[in-house]
Amino acid sequence: AQSVTQLDSQVPVFEEAPVELRCNYSSSVSVYLFWYVQYPNQGLQLLLKYLSGSTLVKGINGFEAEFNKSQTSFHLRKPSVHISDTAEYFCAVVTSYDKVIFGPGTSLSVIP
Amino acid sequence: EPEVTQTPSHQVTQMGQEVILRCVPISNHLYFYWYRQILGQKVEFLVSFYNNEISEKSEIFDDQFSVERPDGSNFTLKIRSTKLEDSAMYFCASSEWGLGTGANVLTFGAGSRLTVL
Repeated sequence: AQSVTQLDSQVPVFEEAPVELRCNYSSSVSVYLFWYVQYPNQGLQLLLKYLSGSTLVKGINGFEAEFNKSQTSFHLRKPSVHISDTAEYFCAVVTSYDKVIFGPGTSLSVIP
Repeated sequence: EPEVTQTPSHQVTQMGQEVILRCVPISNHLYFYWYRQILGQKVEFLVSFYNNEISEKSEIFDDQFSVERPDGSNFTLKIRSTKLEDSAMYFCASSEWGLGTGANVLTFGAGSRLTVL
């Protein structure tokens, strides 16, 4: 069965500092990987996705993620965070079945 | 930019009452989904819907739940007799094609918060 792990439930970081949000997945089949962001009182918005090809994927708002097949990871990074990046971040995986499996989420708090 | 719209944004109901949550997916999308997020927990898949029938459902989606596409634009989730544990944020999503190729992604609505008293 597929599963997604986000080890850090909460990540506080100072404004303009770099951040990495960790995501690991388990699957016996090929996967497509996504990061979604949920701002307070809003729905889920796609940040970026990995389908194939280059393992470094760039998304919106300056975020990027690197797919590492050997470590089954898809960590999200940003070199310099802003207050507006405060949100819940969800890693997700899609396999050949018609559904998305979400990780438990990481709450990013940017401290001024 | 096209968006998925959901109504109501917040509904409070008494335990045992029926609730219908409504969604208007993006017009050219063919696949529709419901997810839910209990407060403080992760987003959980409920059901996917294509070609006027359920294509997949989770163990959460029991006989108390049903989905319908009553016309060409709306996609509804009905909870027949609500329980306290149904309190959650319910997200509708749609995609142009199925997710199996990975080439398409879900577009989510802003959610409907259901509070069961």
